[in-house]
Amino acid sequence: AQSVSQHNHHVILSEAASLELGCNYSYGGTVNLFWYVQYPGQHLQLLLKYFSGDPLVKGIKGFEAEFIKSKFSFNLRKPSVQWSDTAEYFCAVNARNAGNMLTFGGGTRLMVKP
Amino acid sequence: DAGVIQSPRHEVTEMGQEVTLRCKPISGHNSLFWYRQTMMRGLELLIYFNNNVPIDDSGMPEDRFSAKMPNASFSTLKIQPSEPRDSAVYFCASSLGGGVGAEAFFGQGTRLTVV
Repeated sequence: AQSVSQHNHHVILSEAASLELGCNYSYGGTVNLFWYVQYPGQHLQLLLKYFSGDPLVKGIKGFEAEFIKSKFSFNLRKPSVQWSDTAEYFCAVNARNAGNMLTFGGGTRLMVKP
Repeated sequence: DAGVIQSPRHEVTEMGQEVTLRCKPISGHNSLFWYRQTMMRGLELLIYFNNNVPIDDSGMPEDRFSAKMPNASFSTLKIQPSEPRDSAVYFCASSLGGGVGAEAFFGQGTRLTVV
């Protein structure tokens, strides 16, 4: 079974700082990878996704993530965060040969100080 | 499409009562997921259906929880009897399946409070 680890549980940054959130998964086969964002009091929304091709994926609101297959990682980055990026971020994996089950990491709470 | 629709948005009930949460997935999606979110445990997958069939219910906490999907456009999550520790936000999500359609779309959630 696949699993997802997000090692940073809480991150506090000042506006304009750069962001990198770690995500590692464990599964030996082909995977689809996702980052979701949950703003306070709201539901999860898709930030970006990787299915195939260019391992550097660009998403909404200036976010990007890089799939490094050899490291089983899919870290999320943003060069300059804004106060409005304060939210919880979830990494998720769907193992293509294991049905359609989507497995989420534990989430990282990001607080951006104005 | 209106997206994944959950009802009710908020539910307050007394301990011991039966609670039924409802979900209407996006039309055409063949996978449906129920998640529970709490501060302590984060986002937990409770059960996952594919083509209306439960595939993995290992996340269902105990026998008090049950889920059904009688057809492709409707699913329920029932808790009976409810307990205060069941208080959480319950999300339903649907997806088109594996490969390029595997993105899951989430409903707005049901905030359950058991007093």
